[in-house]
Amino acid sequence: AQSVTQLGSHVSVSEGALVLLRCNYSSSVPPYLFWYVQYPNQGLQLLLKYTSAATLVKGINGFEAEFKKSETSFHLTKPSAHMSDAAEYFCAVSGSGGNKLTFGTGTQLKVEL
Amino acid sequence: GAVVSQHPSWVICKSGTSVKIECRSLDFQATTMFWYRQFPKQSLMLMATSNEGSKATYEQGVEKDKFLINHASLTLSTLTVTSAHPEDSSFYICSAGSPNNQETQYFGPGTRLLVL
Repeated sequence: AQSVTQLGSHVSVSEGALVLLRCNYSSSVPPYLFWYVQYPNQGLQLLLKYTSAATLVKGINGFEAEFKKSETSFHLTKPSAHMSDAAEYFCAVSGSGGNKLTFGTGTQLKVEL
Repeated sequence: GAVVSQHPSWVICKSGTSVKIECRSLDFQATTMFWYRQFPKQSLMLMATSNEGSKATYEQGVEKDKFLINHASLTLSTLTVTSAHPEDSSFYICSAGSPNNQETQYFGPGTRLLVL
């Protein structure tokens, strides 16, 4: 069984500031981990994924995430926030080799001028 | 590439009627498709996994007779909400499994259902 915990349902940053969205996972098997972004009234877009290769994963739009097994974490970061980054972000986990995703509760990112 | 569409994008229906939502993979074949529902300001909850040519696998607590899923071809899956009630109002999102790697899903834009 897998689960995901996203700390902070709302995160607010200034434009140009560091973005850090937290995700901790629980998995009984080696996990695959994902970050998705959702804009209002739209489906989900894959930002990046970890599938047991490099622990530092680079994704689209300047985002990256680091898999830390010892901390069971997969936090999402971006060095400099842009107004267009304002959206809902979901962390998700699946068992390696599996395709069933379990999502976290999401973090709403707000970017202020 | 890897585009998934849903139709309709939104629908309003009367209580007691049935609503069909289509999910299509436009430029690839998807052996497996997934159906999720999302309540306002909440996460996605997997409803069922649909494999082409076989019966869907429903998650615990999802009524299979109420949410009929058909995966008739490698590019089309449908979700029919039968005898809809106001509590079925939600945002329904489908996804299609990548033909190249099992762990990747491509999501549709979602269908907003409002049952009056």
